[in-house]
Amino acid sequence: DQQVKQNSPSLSVQEGRISILNCDYTNSMFDYFLWYKKYPAEGPTFLISISSIKDKNEDGRFTVFLNKSAKHLSLHIVPSQPGDSAVYFCAASPIFQGAQKLVFGQGTRLTINP
Amino acid sequence: EAQVTQNPRYLITVTGKKLTVTCSQNMNHEYMSWYRQDPGLGLRQIYYSMNVEVTDKGDVPEGYKVSRKEKRNFPLILESPSPNQTSLYFCATGDRAYGYTFGSGTRLTVV
Repeated sequence: DQQVKQNSPSLSVQEGRISILNCDYTNSMFDYFLWYKKYPAEGPTFLISISSIKDKNEDGRFTVFLNKSAKHLSLHIVPSQPGDSAVYFCAASPIFQGAQKLVFGQGTRLTINP
Repeated sequence: EAQVTQNPRYLITVTGKKLTVTCSQNMNHEYMSWYRQDPGLGLRQIYYSMNVEVTDKGDVPEGYKVSRKEKRNFPLILESPSPNQTSLYFCATGDRAYGYTFGSGTRLTVV
């Protein structure tokens, strides 16, 4: 039972354009959401997060949007740069278990083309 | 520098031979966790620890053990590894409010 789903295994975007990565979740107990970026041979690195009390959080070129009614979040990268090519994971944290558990999606491989 | 150190980075072993993957953090965090990454499945939590001597099962704990005798270390133990435990393993620590810090990973192959 995949509680966090990233339905697009891969995404290709031209440099300078907007990249939009999507994530859906099923568990209404999730109250905190995070995005991670992963390069080959490295561990995931934290990008940006959002609490369920917000619908948008922005950090430089990265913006995360949360639609609680649709149980959907998205990560926007504007403008996309070649260094953004990586695998992106969304993760959700439930309100229980000391609020420290993370449930990850399957990941989306983003390729930025020059 | 804040670090999560995993060892070894790569390991090839045979079925049934006990092994330990070590994880150490220098950030004084109470929470530590182990994940495995498999194609098409993302990262799945194996075990986590909320503090010294406090551990609990994650989503895929079968075939694994952990211990937390000191705050900085959280080793992952495979008592009798099997080929289905061939995977990429990550240790993590931190707090969700600030994101978690992951180690560089341990690629384990069980033949």
